[in-house]
Amino acid sequence: EAGVAQSPRYKIIEKRQSVAFWCNPISGHATLYWYQQILGQGPKLLIQFQNNGVVDDSQLPKDRFSAERLKGVDSTLKIQPAKLEDSAVYLCASSLDRAMNIQYFGAGTRLSVL
Amino acid sequence: SQQGEEDPQALSIQEGENATMNCSYKTSINNLQWYRQNSGRGLVHLILIRSNEREKHSGRLRVTLDTSKKSSSLLITASRAADTASYFCATGGQAGTALIFGKGTTLSVSS
Repeated sequence: EAGVAQSPRYKIIEKRQSVAFWCNPISGHATLYWYQQILGQGPKLLIQFQNNGVVDDSQLPKDRFSAERLKGVDSTLKIQPAKLEDSAVYLCASSLDRAMNIQYFGAGTRLSVL
Repeated sequence: SQQGEEDPQALSIQEGENATMNCSYKTSINNLQWYRQNSGRGLVHLILIRSNEREKHSGRLRVTLDTSKKSSSLLITASRAADTASYFCATGGQAGTALIFGKGTTLSVSS
């Protein structure tokens, strides 16, 4: 079974530029999550999708971050414009069972904003 | 916001020793999970314990849960160098709600 795929693995941009991350979850997993992980901290949820609908985006900075999951499969997270404090690893995860919510993570995209 | 707080923040042990890390949380939970993260990689699910369970084993892992104290512990027995990683507890609330992760414990196992 293929795991969660993310690209790119690394991205370096200057502040005020835009950037996009892509995620393809495990086949059949209806729930998809985007997390931000700042160095030395645990993952913080940005947005949760159930199929192509948003379940929770309460911690997504909507003035600069946006995410979509067209057709309920792969997803894109965008930052526009980026700030220095957006430097972090962006992790995508998917889950089959909403009740227990065991999550499978991709390797992440490490973003550096200069 | 982060619900779980792991303790200690960092732990260094020798191969063959046991490693114990603790997690405290604040609100009621449906389940508690532990994840491992190797440097530069994503998180890997290790074990899940439901709120009505007190102890669970999986290979060299032993997890306990005390809902009255809102705390959990993860014990790794006979540690190996390959166990070197960060370990996170994550609490699950009502079905369908997202997990909330703690800040993690960084474990270093030297040979």
